[in-house]
Amino acid sequence: DAKTTQPPSMDCAEGRAANLPCNHSTISGNEYVYWYRQIHSQGPQYIIHGLKNNETNEMASLIITEDRKSSTLILPHATLRDTAVYYCIVRAGPIIQGAQKLVFGQGTRLTINP
Amino acid sequence: DAGVIQSPRHEVTEMGQEVTLRCKPISGHDYLFWYRQTMMRGLELLIYFNNNVPIDDSGMPEDRFSAKMPNASFSTLKIQPSEPRDSAVYFCASGGGLSLAKNIQYFGAGTRLSVL
Repeated sequence: DAKTTQPPSMDCAEGRAANLPCNHSTISGNEYVYWYRQIHSQGPQYIIHGLKNNETNEMASLIITEDRKSSTLILPHATLRDTAVYYCIVRAGPIIQGAQKLVFGQGTRLTINP
Repeated sequence: DAGVIQSPRHEVTEMGQEVTLRCKPISGHDYLFWYRQTMMRGLELLIYFNNNVPIDDSGMPEDRFSAKMPNASFSTLKIQPSEPRDSAVYFCASGGGLSLAKNIQYFGAGTRLSVL
């Protein structure tokens, strides 16, 4: 799986948009970008994923650059409950043997401040 | 659905004792994963199953660790004998089924293991 690079920590004010970057310059054509988050003392939670188009769901938006070498997770109106460690993971699609494995890096510790 | 259910939530045991962690995946999911999380090593995949068959156990640290999935609704991770360095939070996750988002994983709340 392609390696990802994320800043170790970020701060954001409550109510503002939180933009979390992720670099994955060695991503392959069949690899997706997944975002998970882990709130303190809980298991990781899926947020969103995408291949090359921008994606949006009820939790967040995912912006992937045209060359697919980086992406940004956007939490449009951050709340205190969004304080968590956010993981960016790159891996092949589900039909590829072994693609079901998730490799978690250190992630970005996002702190939402009141 | 109640989600992935793990038991116990907390386990404290003494070195040398056998420890068994349990997991009930989401109904209909055909993949089950066991992870371990520590401050030093982060979140690591230990083993995963597909249709109750172990597919990749390369993350299992040593022979003291074993995992089974006797049926689609139950899995165990056993440590025998346990050592203080096994202290960690162990997560179970499941995924698959008929959902189009087939390879999204859903995690349980974890079991916090302390080996004294």
